Amino acid sequence: QKEVEQDPGPLSVPEGAIVSLNCTYSNSAFQYFMWYRQYSRKGPELLMYTYSSGNKEDGRFTAQVDKSSKYISLFIRDSQPSDSATYLCAMGGRNNDMRFGAGTRLTVKP
Amino acid sequence: EPEVTQTPSHQVTQMGQEVILRCVPISNHLYFYWYRQILGQKVEFLVSFYNNEISEKSEIFDDQFSVERPDGSNFTLKIRSTKLEDSAMYFCASRDVTGAAFKDRYFGPGTRLLVL
Repeated sequence: QKEVEQDPGPLSVPEGAIVSLNCTYSNSAFQYFMWYRQYSRKGPELLMYTYSSGNKEDGRFTAQVDKSSKYISLFIRDSQPSDSATYLCAMGGRNNDMRFGAGTRLTVKP
Repeated sequence: EPEVTQTPSHQVTQMGQEVILRCVPISNHLYFYWYRQILGQKVEFLVSFYNNEISEKSEIFDDQFSVERPDGSNFTLKIRSTKLEDSAMYFCASRDVTGAAFKDRYFGPGTRLLVL
């Protein structure tokens, strides 16, 4: 089993739709959970950061972590064409080694 | 807003040649990282660097790779004898010593390396 699994998509939704992105993981040592947004030919940009289990909301974005199921989600409400990008989940534990998912390519159509 | 910069943006080299990828981290940051992303694959950790020494490295970071902070502003990744499979986007990242280990890591725009 891969340490972090993320469906690469692509995912295409109409403007205004609710988007749900997910990752599963196998390493129970992960305590820190991040979602990055990556535009074409750019570096990853931190979108959401969560420590341990629970929900976190920031504007149109909600991150959820379920450590018992080893499952994390990112929800985007009222999606916009400017949200079109690749979304990467990432996780970290006690060391500095951050593990990324493969990234899900999202297109929001006007 | 301060940002991590990387040069060159693109590099084409012949197999077996040495390449040096350059990064200028955010000025007050003291932790530095290199990652790579092979086209269509996930971002992979290579190495972390603090206090002028490697603090952690992955299994990818073998003897052909080295990192250096040659002066107060640059952080470099050297690949001694490039192989075709080294073709990838290489990202530098940095964070402040007071920043959270994962939350406050800022990525540069990347250098796209193509080995022919």
